[in-house]
Amino acid sequence: DTGVSQDPRHKITKRGQNVTFRCDPISEHNRLYWYRQTLGQGPEFLTYFQNEAQLEKSRLLSDRFSAERPKGSFSTLEIQRTEQGDSAMYLCASSLSGATDYEQYFGPGTRLTVT
Amino acid sequence: AQRVTQPEKLLSVFKGAPVELKCNYSYSGSPELFWYVQYSRQRLQLLLRHISRESIKGFTADLNKGETSFHLKKPFAQEEDSAMYYCALRSRRQLTFGSGTQLTVLP
Repeated sequence: DTGVSQDPRHKITKRGQNVTFRCDPISEHNRLYWYRQTLGQGPEFLTYFQNEAQLEKSRLLSDRFSAERPKGSFSTLEIQRTEQGDSAMYLCASSLSGATDYEQYFGPGTRLTVT
Repeated sequence: AQRVTQPEKLLSVFKGAPVELKCNYSYSGSPELFWYVQYSRQRLQLLLRHISRESIKGFTADLNKGETSFHLKKPFAQEEDSAMYYCALRSRRQLTFGSGTQLTVLP
């Protein structure tokens, strides 16, 4: 499968623990996005990378959240001191800058449950 | 700030009937609008983009700036159209999604 991949697909953690998710974009895509989706809602933008530079961050991304894309390829999203309100599906997407930049390709998501 | 509203959470139609999924937006600039679709157990994928003005899987959507709407239409629904549909507005690389409409096409 050459699409966007995310790992793990499911994560159950206790409140207060730290979690880290990984996203591998389509190999030639230089742009990478993180979204969060809660039950009954559409995805909400969290942050965006162009290569290794984090260019935009949503106000939703509190200080407990950090995202990296160290070599401009895969990305990680870490949540520190998880809270029950962090329970959601975390989606990663990628795109290629240029004429087709408008199309974001989504991964299958990581479902986080905080107990 | 931009906002996308999809007023119907659930929509059911019979096979062969016309279908319209509503989307309204608020945005101060010139909007770039999309419809994304998620079939059961599949990932979110782009269905169509307003600029291209093309028909994908029989679906079309017209941007109406006066009514700030971007409704998705298909004249004859098929059972395989059953899915979750999201309207989205793009600004500065990020997408703002509506809350989605679950379409069920009944046999």
